[in-house]
Amino acid sequence: KNQVEQSPQSLIILEGKNCTLQCNYTVSPFSNLRWYKQDTGRGPVSLTIMTFSENTKSNGRYTATLDADTKQSSLHITASQLSDSASYICVVRGNMLTFGGGTRLMVKP
Amino acid sequence: GAVVSQHPSWVICKSGTSVKIECRSLDFQATTMFWYRQFPKQSLMLMATSNEGSKATYEQGVEKDKFLINHASLTLSTLTVTSAHPEDSSFYICSASQLAGGTGELFFGEGSRLTVL
Repeated sequence: KNQVEQSPQSLIILEGKNCTLQCNYTVSPFSNLRWYKQDTGRGPVSLTIMTFSENTKSNGRYTATLDADTKQSSLHITASQLSDSASYICVVRGNMLTFGGGTRLMVKP
Repeated sequence: GAVVSQHPSWVICKSGTSVKIECRSLDFQATTMFWYRQFPKQSLMLMATSNEGSKATYEQGVEKDKFLINHASLTLSTLTVTSAHPEDSSFYICSASQLAGGTGELFFGEGSRLTVL
C-alpha cells in the first residue's frame, strides 16, 4: 500500500532557529516528491519538486533532500521566520499522488 | 508561476441546497484537475481526479452522486455539492496540472470554505 508518513506532526520553534521535517514513503514506482507549504485557510504553495536523481534542492531558506534508496526526504528550514508558521505537506507521485499528513510548524518570537 | 483561481472563496448555505465551486486555471491549460477536502487541522484528502472531457475518477468513499465534478474545458472544472448537509462543511481545494495525470507541477487554488447551516 502506498503511504507517506511525515514527522513530527507538529513542531514549535523559536524565530531564527533551524528545523528539519521528515517524510518517509513507501510509494512504488516512484516518480517525484514534492514539498508544499500551506498557510492556514489558503491553498498549498509548491516549495520543491524532486525526481529520483536529485539528492538536494534549495529554494531560499528551504532545502529539501531525497534519499531514494531509503525512501526518505527531509525539508530543512534555515533561520526560521514568523511567516514560516504553516503546514508543510509532502506529496509523492507514483502511479498516483499520495499525500502525507503534514507537519504543522509554529514559529514563535 | 501559474495561477489557479477558485470561486467562491467562502460560501454559507442552508442544509439541503446545492453549492457549486469553480476552479479555473488562468494562464495555462489544465489537462488534469484534482479536488480535495480538508477538515480543520487535517491534511488534504483527495476526493477525485478529473481529466478534461472525461468523467471524474472518485476516491474510495467519495459519493460521486453527491459531489458532482465537471471538467468541460481545459481551464475550468466545477465541483457541485448536492443536497449539502452540515457534515459537508469543509475547506475544498482544487489543483491543476498541465500534464495528464498530474505528473507535472501541481498548482493549487486558494480554497473554498463551505459552511452548511
